[in-house]
Amino acid sequence: GIQVEQSPPDLILQEGANSTLRCNFSDSVNNLQWFHQNPWGQLINLFYIPSGTKQNGRLSATTVATERYSLLYISSSQTTDSGVYFCAVVRPGTASKLTFGTGTRLQVTL
Amino acid sequence: KAGVTQTPRYLIKTRGQQVTLSCSPISGHRSVSWYQQTPGQGLQFLFEYFSETQRNKGNFPGRFSGRQFSNSRSEMNVSTLELGDSALYLCASSRDQRSGGLLDLYNEQFFGPGTRLTVL
Repeated sequence: GIQVEQSPPDLILQEGANSTLRCNFSDSVNNLQWFHQNPWGQLINLFYIPSGTKQNGRLSATTVATERYSLLYISSSQTTDSGVYFCAVVRPGTASKLTFGTGTRLQVTL
Repeated sequence: KAGVTQTPRYLIKTRGQQVTLSCSPISGHRSVSWYQQTPGQGLQFLFEYFSETQRNKGNFPGRFSGRQFSNSRSEMNVSTLELGDSALYLCASSRDQRSGGLLDLYNEQFFGPGTRLTVL
């Protein structure tokens, strides 16, 4: 099956710093989503981005499908950004089956 | 528009028992998927239902089963619970919008808050 790798696995930032999270996948995908998992376990949708670039406030994401990677940028980080960030992909022909990466655990300190 | 809802939110069972979890998708969403999250295995796909039919299945034993009703609500059942079944169970729904014969054209998935199952 498809492999989804995220880096770095852990990240500690001071409030106000910027960061880039990376997601590499081993095969072609139809869909790619970025999620933020809050401390209560809920997965919050950040981006639905099979290709191209999108921005939402301090967050932006870029997916280069032909090179099989996606990047999530967090600017001016805040303590509320802490949590685990997941990238998940859908292979063609697998309907809605998301394959998740192992996540990046982000801690933003004061 | 209300989000995906899951009940119950927390559950404690003992080994050998069975459990049923419920998921109500976002209104208008026809696809419902289930995932298991554990510290050791991460987030793993269990199965997906669309129009009351199982469309996709992950690598889980037959003790894990599910169904979908005509109103798109879904339930999953785990029989003969084992300690290793302790996990966060997440449900996701999507509109499953297709156009012009293309598959997976727009299929953003939205997750519920999860059911945290503890097996003692």
